[in-house]
This record gives sequence, structure tokens and C-alpha cells, in this order.
Amino acid sequence: AQTVTQSQPEMSVQEAETVTLSCTYDTSESNYYLFWYKQPPSRQMILVIRQEAYKQQNATENRFSVNFQKAAKSFSLKISDSQLGDTAMYFCAFMKPQGGSEKLVFGKGTKLTVNP
Amino acid sequence: DTGVSQDPRHKITKRGQNVTFRCDPISEHNRLYWYRQTLGQGPEFLTYFQNEAQLEKSRLLSDRFSAERPKGSFSTLEIQRTEQGDSAMYLCASSPGTGETEAFFGQGTRLTVV
Repeated sequence: AQTVTQSQPEMSVQEAETVTLSCTYDTSESNYYLFWYKQPPSRQMILVIRQEAYKQQNATENRFSVNFQKAAKSFSLKISDSQLGDTAMYFCAFMKPQGGSEKLVFGKGTKLTVNP
Repeated sequence: DTGVSQDPRHKITKRGQNVTFRCDPISEHNRLYWYRQTLGQGPEFLTYFQNEAQLEKSRLLSDRFSAERPKGSFSTLEIQRTEQGDSAMYLCASSPGTGETEAFFGQGTRLTVV
């Protein structure tokens, strides 16, 4: 079974600065997807960024980028130029594609607060 | 609004009562998921539908829980004889199908069992 570990329950950052959220996972699969989802207070979870395991290049979406280390089973999220609207719970998630439910396995989350 | 819709948003019930939640996925999305999220935890998978077929159930889904998706569109999740341990946020998500990996989540139904 796959497991996802987020070792930072809470983090804070000053507006406009950079913050990195950590995530490690455990799997015996070679092909999989990794995701970062954002859950703002009282709002639905939305996808921030995804990474396909067979792609060596790290994914980037505007101010969000990942550092994917497949051998180390590490998948960190870097948020540059932090904005107040980035305040949210961030969940790292794993998915095994093809032939099954493609359900998400989530970590416990990191609560990020961006301070003005 | 064409996102995933869940109803009700909040439900308070007495222990032992039955409750039913509804999820309306994004139109044309074949896959529908239910997750449960307790305080301080990430969402945990409960069950999955491909169209109207329930293809996978977590061992978390005890026999007091039942889910349906009768016409392959909306889904319901029923909890019978609720217990305090059932208090949680119940999230519904949908996705278009294999190859499309993004899941779209609803705002959830927060259940409190008193």
C-alpha cells in the first residue's frame, strides 16, 4: 500500500517570500502521479500542480514548482512570491494510474499561513 | 456553476439516526469518488464509481455505509445508525476518466453526530 508523509503540520511565511513544503511517499510502483492540492478555509480542494513519475523534468505552474526526487521518493512544493491568498491547507497526494480506481492517497497536510 | 456540488453543506444529527448526503458531479464525468476527512487528517478514500457501477470500496466503509449512483450521474452516501466517530467532512470528487488525472472536489458535507 502506498503512504504519503507530510512532516510539517504548520508553516508560515511572509508575503512575497518563498516557502517550501515537504512530502515523502512510499511505493513499489514505477509509474504513478503525484499532486499538490490546496484547500482554502471553507472552500473546496483544488489542484495546484501534478507530476508524472516517468517525467524527469520538475513541473512548474506560475509561482508553484516542485522538486521531484524519484529515487529518494521526495516531492516538495515551492511557492515563490507568496501571496495572502496562498493561505490554506496543502495536501500532497499519490495516485497509481490505469486499470483501477485511480484514487488519491493523501498526506495529513500542511497548514500554510502567509503573513502580511 | 458547473463544479461538483454537495448537499447539504452541514448536517447535525443525533447518534443512531440515519443521514444521506448527495453529490452532483461535473456533467459528463464518468468517475465519482467519496472521501472522508477528519480533523487534522488528509482525505481518506471511501468508494469509487465508474458511471453507475461501484467498483471499489475501502475497508473504512463499514456495513452501515452505503453509496449509490443509480443513473451514472448524481450519487448518494447514506450512513445508518450514526456514531460519534462518523463525525467528519465527507468529500465528493469527480474526474472525466482514465488518462485525465485531475480530480475536481466539492465543498464537502460536514457531519456532526451528537
